[in-house]
Amino acid sequence: EPEVTQTPSHQVTQMGQEVILRCVPISNHLYFYWYRQILGQKVEFLVSFYNNEISEKSEIFDDQFSVERPDGSNFTLKIRSTKLEDSAMYFCASSVGGVGLETQYFGPGTRLLVL
Amino acid sequence: AQSVTQLGSHVSVSEGALVLLRCNYSSSVPPYLFWYVQYPNQGLQLLLKYTTGATLVKGINGFEAEFKKSETSFHLTKPSAHMSDAAEYFCAVSATAGKSTFGDGTTLTVKP
Repeated sequence: EPEVTQTPSHQVTQMGQEVILRCVPISNHLYFYWYRQILGQKVEFLVSFYNNEISEKSEIFDDQFSVERPDGSNFTLKIRSTKLEDSAMYFCASSVGGVGLETQYFGPGTRLLVL
Repeated sequence: AQSVTQLGSHVSVSEGALVLLRCNYSSSVPPYLFWYVQYPNQGLQLLLKYTTGATLVKGINGFEAEFKKSETSFHLTKPSAHMSDAAEYFCAVSATAGKSTFGDGTTLTVKP
């Protein structure tokens, strides 16, 4: 069964450094998402992406964050200058369509630790 | 706007007992509702979802949930708990935009 993959599974970085989290969505999916989950807290929506544009973003997704689909398969989340509070599990998801009833398929996550 | 409230951050049941995890939602448009399970250090796996039609939805691993519009609820049940059901469970709602709003999660513990 096709699945969403994410790399790396774990990343440790120093505060102020840039990180890029990578995702390979399911191949026929057109909508892509990033969520994050701070340890012990709920999963929070960051951004949705369709047709090479951001469709929607949350208040968490400030100027430090950016997303890109650099080629036909990868979907990336960049954090320009990491802060301690960016430490979290980051999940990528994809779906065939963008309406609410479409199932979002989640990747296994990247655990980011900012020191 | 949409939101989800999961009543009970921790639920403990004995193996073989009924599992009931509660979820109430708020949505300004007809909601689409989901339950996900998360095992330690893993991603989110879809258990079941409600979009339209039959209000009793069956999912994987013997779980089911019933959409009750009058109660704005979407509680998750399983008749007989198994040790392997121990995990964190998230209820989520989405509307037309596609993004999902998650509840705080409920940790299910299954005692032998």
